[in-house]
Amino acid sequence: DAGVTQSPTHLIKTRGQQVTLRCSPKSGHDTVSWYQQALGQGPQFIFQYYEEEERQRGNFPDRFSGHQFPNYSSELNVNALLLGDSALYLCASSLASTNTEAFFGQGTRLTVV
Amino acid sequence: GENVEQHPSTLSVQEGDSAVIKCTYSDSASNYFPWYKQELGKGPQLIIDIRSNVGEKKDQRIAVTLNKTAKHFSLHITETQPEDSAVYFCAAPGDDYKLSFGAGTTVTVRA
Repeated sequence: DAGVTQSPTHLIKTRGQQVTLRCSPKSGHDTVSWYQQALGQGPQFIFQYYEEEERQRGNFPDRFSGHQFPNYSSELNVNALLLGDSALYLCASSLASTNTEAFFGQGTRLTVV
Repeated sequence: GENVEQHPSTLSVQEGDSAVIKCTYSDSASNYFPWYKQELGKGPQLIIDIRSNVGEKKDQRIAVTLNKTAKHFSLHITETQPEDSAVYFCAAPGDDYKLSFGAGTTVTVRA
């Protein structure tokens, strides 16, 4: 049983560029949440997708957007990258009926130079 | 929204000793309290969780206790081993869908 998978694992981008990160949820899960984890800090909630719609959003600017596909996989897009966007981006999947037991992927390490 | 505070930020223990990490939360609507272990270069791994209808849960060497009246919950690791060295995070959901995380505790087990 595959867990949560994210791609790519590492990424280097230049300020002002755009980036797309991808996530496949754990088998049987229908909800995907994205978190940003800065070095030495806990994960910060970006948004959650369920039934292909954004269900809840954290305190992140509109430069951060996402999408969920019919197969429950998801993408995180960040436009106009800033140096401060450098972080580990984590995807977590869960089951909407329980809204608990979130399982995380290994993350995508984004470096903006 | 939910605010989770976690202490201590670092913890060094001798192999074989116990480690305790404590968290407090602010939103009384929280009813689920997971603990995650994060090793270097990896994503957080769910190691144990507890729901608000129980006060304690054990899984081999780890246990979690919950005091809803005081709004705090704790992770206990007994007979620590070198592989327990990692960063541990507590979290709580509040009354919405997201998880709010503590700032993390770096646990170092000395051989």
